[in-house]
Amino acid sequence: GAGVSQSPSNKVTEKGKDVELRCDPISGHTALYWYRQSLGQGLEFLIYFQGNSAPDKSGLPSDRFSAERTGGSVSTLTIQRTQQEDSAVYLCASSSQTGETQYFGPGTRLLVL
Amino acid sequence: GESVGLHLPTLSVQEGDNSIINCAYSNSASDYFIWYKQESGKGPQFIIDIRSNMDKRQGQRVTVLLNKTVKHLSLQIAATQPGDSAVYFCAENYQGAQKLVFGQGTRLTINP
Repeated sequence: GAGVSQSPSNKVTEKGKDVELRCDPISGHTALYWYRQSLGQGLEFLIYFQGNSAPDKSGLPSDRFSAERTGGSVSTLTIQRTQQEDSAVYLCASSSQTGETQYFGPGTRLLVL
Repeated sequence: GESVGLHLPTLSVQEGDNSIINCAYSNSASDYFIWYKQESGKGPQFIIDIRSNMDKRQGQRVTVLLNKTVKHLSLQIAATQPGDSAVYFCAENYQGAQKLVFGQGTRLTINP
């Protein structure tokens, strides 16, 4: 497909478990972003990757959150020891250049019980 | 700090009417603006963008207006349809910034 894809589309987990969320950006896009969106809320920036540069992690809410981007393409967001307040939609976006139009995936809906 | 905000959190219009969604920004150095539409259960979808060297840009049934004097951005949707019901976000970027700054969103409801 030509768009940003994310998997899984839905994830239900128990408190304390680790989860991994995957993002496949648009081919050729060098910038990749992760956001979190709580129900009825706006977009909360989490982390940003640009090419081979060090990622901007300024939005990660705690050290339980981490992300990596392998080979400049696919990215994985990992949440360790999940808490109920981590329940949200996690959105990934990519862009061809820094600060330009971001194209979003459908999101992963995470529910922590 | 810089921020992007919205005048109205919710907006209801009759089907067929025109709608206007407003957005205020505080960073006078912002030079690129985007409107996104987010339908329930989906990710934000790009609608239209505008650069600071323009004050108006038109798309299909949508027009974005930029007033740099008062740092105001608006999205006009003509002849609204039920499918226009969604949350609309504005976002800004200023030269040198590495990420967009998003507003909180306005929920638009189209009444039949």
